[in-house]
Amino acid sequence: AQTVTQSQPEMSVQEAETVTLSCTYDTSESNYYLFWYKQPPSRQMILVIRQEAYKQQNATENRFSVNFQKAAKSFSLKISDSQLGDTAMYFCASSAWFGNEKLTFGTGTRLTIIP
Amino acid sequence: DVKVTQSSRYLVKRTGEKVFLECVQDMDHENMFWYRQDPGLGLRLIYFSYDVKMKEKGDIPEGYSVSREKKERFSLILESASTNQTSMYLCASSLADPPDTQYFGPGTRLTVL
Repeated sequence: AQTVTQSQPEMSVQEAETVTLSCTYDTSESNYYLFWYKQPPSRQMILVIRQEAYKQQNATENRFSVNFQKAAKSFSLKISDSQLGDTAMYFCASSAWFGNEKLTFGTGTRLTIIP
Repeated sequence: DVKVTQSSRYLVKRTGEKVFLECVQDMDHENMFWYRQDPGLGLRLIYFSYDVKMKEKGDIPEGYSVSREKKERFSLILESASTNQTSMYLCASSLADPPDTQYFGPGTRLTVL
């Protein structure tokens, strides 16, 4: 079984600042994926970034990067130069590698970018 | 672009009614999923399907059933709606192994009175 914990229900940051969203997980799988999904207000959930657990290098997508600490089972998301369009619910999720593509989600962090 | 559509954005039903929520994807994805989203609880998996006519229970299947007669369509059925099923329902689809990005529909906000 997998569990994902997001301990920050809400966060806010000034536009152009950097913000880090926390996520910890627990899994018995030896190989797995980790994801960050974004759900803007009244809009569809979309993938922000994904990380394969066997890769030591942290994933990066433009202004979004992760800090993956496998031993600590931590997977935080850093948003640099935050923009108003980053305002959204952010969900951390995990998935086993093979045979089971189910995502296990955390409870989410509501991020507000202040102009 | 992958497109996942859901039959309704908002739905109001009465207790005891049979409710059908439909989801269609246009990218020939093998996997389809139904989640419910509740404040403070995140997304919880109700059912998923990895092929036509195949289904597996998720974490909270009680009170729900599903149907997948065609690859592109995955229906969630509430046999007898109850007030505790008032929620946002999200459909998603993805390619098969290895775990791939899930693409989500816009959601259906269901209110059961």
